[in-house]
Amino acid sequence: GAGVSQSPRYKVAKRGQDVALRCDPISGHVSLFWYQQALGQGPEFLTYFQNEAQLDKSGLPSDRFFAERPEGSVSTLKIQRTQQEDSAVYLCASSNPRGGQNTEAFFGQGTRLTVV
Amino acid sequence: SQQGEEDPQALSIQEGENATMNCSYKTSINNLQWYRQNSGRGLVHLILIRSNEREKHSGRLRVTLDTSKKSSSLLITASRAADTASYFCATGPTGANNLFFGTGTRLTVIP
Repeated sequence: GAGVSQSPRYKVAKRGQDVALRCDPISGHVSLFWYQQALGQGPEFLTYFQNEAQLDKSGLPSDRFFAERPEGSVSTLKIQRTQQEDSAVYLCASSNPRGGQNTEAFFGQGTRLTVV
Repeated sequence: SQQGEEDPQALSIQEGENATMNCSYKTSINNLQWYRQNSGRGLVHLILIRSNEREKHSGRLRVTLDTSKKSSSLLITASRAADTASYFCATGPTGANNLFFGTGTRLTVIP
């Protein structure tokens, strides 16, 4: 596709339920990022992949959060035993760093997760 | 915690006026970027300024960067109602690939 695609757009989960959020980056983009955005706040970095390698997961808030990108394209962010504080918009972005570090990032529309 | 902070948090202006928002950050950077976010949507890249640049223009946008003060400003000239959105600065720290976003400025342009 032309842009970064995320699914589902909206997810309501009962507290304690596991969820999986999907990201399809722009074809050929090496770098993939996950961000968490609480209401009224800026995006907070969660994790970064270069191809299939997870090079930075310093932003993951707890061991309930897990991300993977097994073939270097599609990525999944999994949250186990969801809690109410996990309610947020989860944004995926991809970029092509061959132009250098911290190049322009292309964002998906996000998945709005509500834990009830 | 977030790397940068925008100022003001919210700004309301009349259509046709200029809007200026500021960003301060904490560490050395490769570049600084500005993004726009409409309500309920993803972020859209507006402009990137490298650490060795002081000013950059793109259409009605003008960005300045002062690395000695660790600050940047975004000027939108001749604002339009369609410019209503949240604006975020994002810094690309030296030695890292990810971006750190500020807290955002909510701009409202009144027709």
